[in-house]
Amino acid sequence: AQKVTQAQTEISVVEKEDVTLDCVYETRDTTYYLFWYKQPPSGELVFLIRRNSFDEQNEISGRYSWNFQKSTSSFNFTITASQVVDSAVYFCALSEGDQYNAGNMLTFGGGTRLMVKP
Amino acid sequence: SAVISQKPSRDICQRGTSLTIQCQVDSQVTMMFWYRQQPGQSLTLIATANQGSEATYESGFVIDKFPISRPNLTFSTLTVSNLSPEDSSIYLCSGQGVYEQYFGPGTRLTVT
Repeated sequence: AQKVTQAQTEISVVEKEDVTLDCVYETRDTTYYLFWYKQPPSGELVFLIRRNSFDEQNEISGRYSWNFQKSTSSFNFTITASQVVDSAVYFCALSEGDQYNAGNMLTFGGGTRLMVKP
Repeated sequence: SAVISQKPSRDICQRGTSLTIQCQVDSQVTMMFWYRQQPGQSLTLIATANQGSEATYESGFVIDKFPISRPNLTFSTLTVSNLSPEDSSIYLCSGQGVYEQYFGPGTRLTVT
């Protein structure tokens, strides 16, 4: 069975601080996909990133960066120079799939509520 | 990418009644799913909606309580039956694209 753990239930930072959201996963599959979604107060889920299990290269997108380490089964998410608009609940998720698609159910972590204060 | 719409966006229902939620995708997706998000909680998969056949339910969810239909590749419905206050949640449908799973805006259900 697969499992995703986000140990930080809530984080509060002051604007412009860097913040890292932790995600640890468990799966028996050798092929799997990891995701981060953002859920702002409006409620919709916004896709941020997908990573597959055979690509450990870290990724940077603007102020966002992700660190994938198979050795520790972690997929952490860092926001640099946080802004008030980053305030949201962030979910890490896992799906098992084959090499060509991630067409399977998502198992979500419990979520981390990030509050960025001005 | 795919755009997913849900109707209704929110509803308040009385105990013992049922609510049917519609999910429409603007393009074909391979798989469709229904999730529940209880207040302040994460998302839990209810079932995978299969086209033309019975949905595949996760542990703890049964067809009598959550009947699901998917008559074609772009449309699905979820009914929450015999409502109780514990059913008050956000219900989200999603569609599997090539790269990611797209989510609808959710239906916020309050049972009184």
